Amino acid sequence: AAGVIQSPRHLIKEKRETATLKCYPIPRHDTVYWYQQGPGQDPQFLISFYEKMQSDKGSIPDRFSAQQFSDYHSELNMSSLELGDSALYFCASSLGGSTEAFFGQGTRLTVV
Amino acid sequence: GNSVTQMEGPVTLSEEAFLTINCTYTATGYPSLFWYVQYPGEGLQLLLKATKADDKGSNKGFEATYRKETTSFHLEKGSVQVSDSAVYFCALRLGDTGFQKLVFGTGTRLLVSP
Repeated sequence: AAGVIQSPRHLIKEKRETATLKCYPIPRHDTVYWYQQGPGQDPQFLISFYEKMQSDKGSIPDRFSAQQFSDYHSELNMSSLELGDSALYFCASSLGGSTEAFFGQGTRLTVV
Repeated sequence: GNSVTQMEGPVTLSEEAFLTINCTYTATGYPSLFWYVQYPGEGLQLLLKATKADDKGSNKGFEATYRKETTSFHLEKGSVQVSDSAVYFCALRLGDTGFQKLVFGTGTRLLVSP
């Protein structure tokens, strides 16, 4: 069965650079969530989209932005990267209202 | 606020030992409860879930019962295997709508030795 696809799997950037993370949800899923997991930490919710509209917002820095496109894929744009942004970024998708979220394998971002 | 508290790890067991990982929650309303597992270098995988009080979620020999009276959702397995070594996250989600975010506990690392 198709799963949530995230790209790239690994990314190395320098401080102050910009990064774009992509998430392709399970086909027919209309809801996408982004989570950030720092080293040894629990996943922290960043932002979510339902039917291309932002549905909830968590602890997402102002330097980050995200959107969901007409094909339901989502991109997380991160600017002015800081060392503390180094983390595993998970995307999850679900079908609207009542199902559990399925997670991708994550993108490991390292800022040097 | 809504939060999940898990026992700190690592939990170190020998193969075939009994496993319990404690999880308690605080929530406004009636959450759905989940256990996710994260194997080394992998993403989060849903292990089991329960959506209302007294429900028991089970999968791959793991079980957890939604206890409203004690606000708990402890994970148990009767006989662990080396392949169960991973980090286990307890999580809650409020309401029935899928776009409610998950709130995770801090995770408990399980190490199983042969």
